[in-house]
Amino acid sequence: QKEVEQNSGPLSVPEGAIASLNCTYSDRGSQSFFWYRQYSGKSPELIMFIYSNGDKEDGRFTAQLNKASQYVSLLIRDSQPSDSATYLCAVNSGSYIPTFGRGTSLIVHP
Amino acid sequence: EPEVTQTPSHQVTQMGQEVILRCVPISNHLYFYWYRQILGQKVEFLVSFYNNEISEKSEIFDDQFSVERPDGSNFTLKIRSTKLEDSAMYFCASSQSPGHRGDTQYFGPGTRLTVL
Repeated sequence: QKEVEQNSGPLSVPEGAIASLNCTYSDRGSQSFFWYRQYSGKSPELIMFIYSNGDKEDGRFTAQLNKASQYVSLLIRDSQPSDSATYLCAVNSGSYIPTFGRGTSLIVHP
Repeated sequence: EPEVTQTPSHQVTQMGQEVILRCVPISNHLYFYWYRQILGQKVEFLVSFYNNEISEKSEIFDDQFSVERPDGSNFTLKIRSTKLEDSAMYFCASSQSPGHRGDTQYFGPGTRLTVL
């Protein structure tokens, strides 16, 4: 059974701070890792993907992957109230069907 | 920017009735998917579809479910005899080349299905 684990939160951070969201996965053969943002009642929206160890930056977002520790994280710099959403971690393991975590609820308060 | 569209946005039905959820994937994508998300739960894979046939399906996708690509643009999910526990958001997604690392699935806005 492939598992993707996320702390459900909520994670509350003040506006302008760095939000750090974490995800662990069980399948060592996992190859691609995705972060989606989901606003309440809306569909998942892709933020970033990563497949190599290390960091990948895109604007205010940085994805970090450590395959040895089976850990992937998402950092959001200069957090804004509009970043308040649930962040879903998704992992592909050989198959192209991603396994989703339950998501972490992020609240950015002014 | 091309996007996946879904209709209807909200479907209310009586238990035991058949429903058809419709999706128009992004035009140059070849792989199509259905997911569901029960309120407060994780996104769950139902089925993938390529070249007019099912590529992969989950244990959720039992005999009451079917998918079809009736023409060159629509992709449908049929639930033959709805149950209360089928109430969920149903998302359609499409992707271009899932064999490649970094290939991403783009999700439609979803259909909220309510079974009474």
